[in-house]
Amino acid sequence: GNSVTQMEGPVTLSEEAFLTINCTYTATGYPSLFWYVQYPGEGLQLLLKATKADDKGSNKGFEATYRKETTSFHLEKGSVQVSDSAVYFCALSESGTSYGKLTFGQGTILTVHP
Amino acid sequence: DAGITQSPRHKVTETGTPVTLRCHQTENHRYMYWYRQDPGHGLRLIHYSYGVKDTDKGEVSDGYSVSRSKTEDFLLTLESATSSQTSVYFCAIKKRERVNEQFFGPGTRLTVL
Repeated sequence: GNSVTQMEGPVTLSEEAFLTINCTYTATGYPSLFWYVQYPGEGLQLLLKATKADDKGSNKGFEATYRKETTSFHLEKGSVQVSDSAVYFCALSESGTSYGKLTFGQGTILTVHP
Repeated sequence: DAGITQSPRHKVTETGTPVTLRCHQTENHRYMYWYRQDPGHGLRLIHYSYGVKDTDKGEVSDGYSVSRSKTEDFLLTLESATSSQTSVYFCAIKKRERVNEQFFGPGTRLTVL
């Protein structure tokens, strides 16, 4: 079956530091890949996505590149802010189905200090 | 704003009691989903719906049932709540047929004592 593995957290950084959150996946075919963010007390929000190999998703300074050869979709940001403190989830959706079920990683807690 | 509301937002109940959570959308989308969120597990799919009266099981459906009698509402029922069902429950919708991104509601925190 499909699975998503994220790096263990929590991750604690100082403001303006570089962020990487690793995500690898197992899936058949060519899944779509997503990063979601959850701020405290809120639901999940889509941060970025990529639907095919070598696509780069980007939003709010975050980037992730769909690497089929390494089955990875690592999240990066060049300079984090305190407001980026949240839980980040990597997820995939199987290709070829319209039901669009998502498989999530376990989530990575990010805390950014001033 | 994805146009999704969930009710109640918080609930405390006792083991063995029935509980129904409601998800309401304002945009008449076809696909709706129920997930539960637990530490160390991310979100796991409980049930989903692809139309009125059309539902199917997800990976953690035991102990849960769902109903969708109209497009805008998707109900999740715990027939006899257990402490292992203490969790945060999220509803989600898919807005476009061939695009698998989902939009999430604010969640319901359920505690079963």
